[in-house]
Amino acid sequence: GESVGLHLPTLSVQEGDNSIINCAYSNSASDYFIWYKQESGKGPQFIIDIRSNMDKRQGQRVTVLLNKTVKHLSLQIAATQPGDSAVYFCAEFSGLGNEKLTFGTGTRLTIIP
Amino acid sequence: DTEVTQTPKHLVMGMTNKKSLKCEQHMGHRAMYWYKQKAKKPPELMFVYSYEKLSINESVPSRFSPECPNSSLLNLHLHALQPEDSALYLCASSPHLDRVNQPQHFGDGTRLSIL
Repeated sequence: GESVGLHLPTLSVQEGDNSIINCAYSNSASDYFIWYKQESGKGPQFIIDIRSNMDKRQGQRVTVLLNKTVKHLSLQIAATQPGDSAVYFCAEFSGLGNEKLTFGTGTRLTIIP
Repeated sequence: DTEVTQTPKHLVMGMTNKKSLKCEQHMGHRAMYWYKQKAKKPPELMFVYSYEKLSINESVPSRFSPECPNSSLLNLHLHALQPEDSALYLCASSPHLDRVNQPQHFGDGTRLSIL
């Protein structure tokens, strides 16, 4: 079946360095993608989104890249801080509406002081 | 702080109990969702409400009964749950299903434990 998955389940990054979290998706019909951050004991928090007609979008310290050719999504976090430690999920919408959001398996990012 | 509020934060119940989870949002969103999240797993969709009507039921067992009394509130009624139902239950909302490309906003969930 089609799924959204991540290449690496865990990632450790030195504080101040940049981090890159990758995500592969298999549904070529997906047209909208979101990155969520989930801290311990909290719900998923929206970070950034991107539509399929774009290949790059930037936010505050974060950049999402979309490569539709290879069905790959990445989240870049610049100058990581201890507060960036969390599980990061990519998620995709496909179909007519945005009611069905499919999450990837998640990557745990740990920032080393 | 999240704009989607869920109560209670924690709930412990026996398999014969009846309890309800509550979710509230005041963002004017007309689509609301229930998700179930097991430890170290991604959230899984359970139900979708659109304009207070049930739009999607992802083949959820009948021991889970959703209710949307008005556009701001979403309940999940629980009865005769099993130990494997222990999980984090997340509520989310989005503007409405007719508008695509709108992110869902999540509450912090109710941590449910079934004894």
